[in-house]
Amino acid sequence: AQSVTQPDIHITVSEGASLELRCNYSYGATPYLFWYVQSPGQGLQLLLKYFSGDTLVQGIKGFEAEFKRSQSSFNLRKPSVHWSDAAEYFCAVGAGGSYIPTFGRGTSLIVHP
Amino acid sequence: NAGVTQTPKFQVLKTGQSMTLQCAQDMNHNSMYWYRQDPGMGLRLIYYSASEGTTDKGEVPNGYNVSRLNKREFSLRLESAAPSQTSVYFCASGNDLPPYEQYFGPGTRLTVT
Repeated sequence: AQSVTQPDIHITVSEGASLELRCNYSYGATPYLFWYVQSPGQGLQLLLKYFSGDTLVQGIKGFEAEFKRSQSSFNLRKPSVHWSDAAEYFCAVGAGGSYIPTFGRGTSLIVHP
Repeated sequence: NAGVTQTPKFQVLKTGQSMTLQCAQDMNHNSMYWYRQDPGMGLRLIYYSASEGTTDKGEVPNGYNVSRLNKREFSLRLESAAPSQTSVYFCASGNDLPPYEQYFGPGTRLTVT
């Protein structure tokens, strides 16, 4: 079965600084990979997804993620963080043949003015 | 397009009371899901429905029942609520094509006293 790890529980950045949130997965073949964002009191919103093709994926709100097979990683990046990006971010992995993803525990992003 | 809707948004129950959480989607997806979210535990799958007329247990099904009323609607029932069921409940529907990404509702915050 697949698994996913988000090593950082909390990340603090200053507004305008760059951001990288880490995600590592465990699965034998090429997985389906997702990043979701959850603002306080809201549901999860899909930021981006990967399942084939170009390993650099562009998403909404200026986010991108890069699939690195050799490192089993799918890290989320943003070049300049805005205060409105403060939220919980979840990485998820799905395996071929199963349409039910496994979610990471989440990383809480705090943005300082 | 409303996406995934859930009712109610908030609910307080006394131990032993019953209630049904409603979920509906307008994306014509076959698969639907119920999750609970607790601090530090991430998202845990309660039940899912791969298609109209089928339901299956997820990771934490005890104390819950579900009904897939039709393709649009998937309800979650607590027959005898317990304080351990205090949580935020999310309904999701899933794309029928790879990578089977999920789309979430806004959630129901349930407190059992």
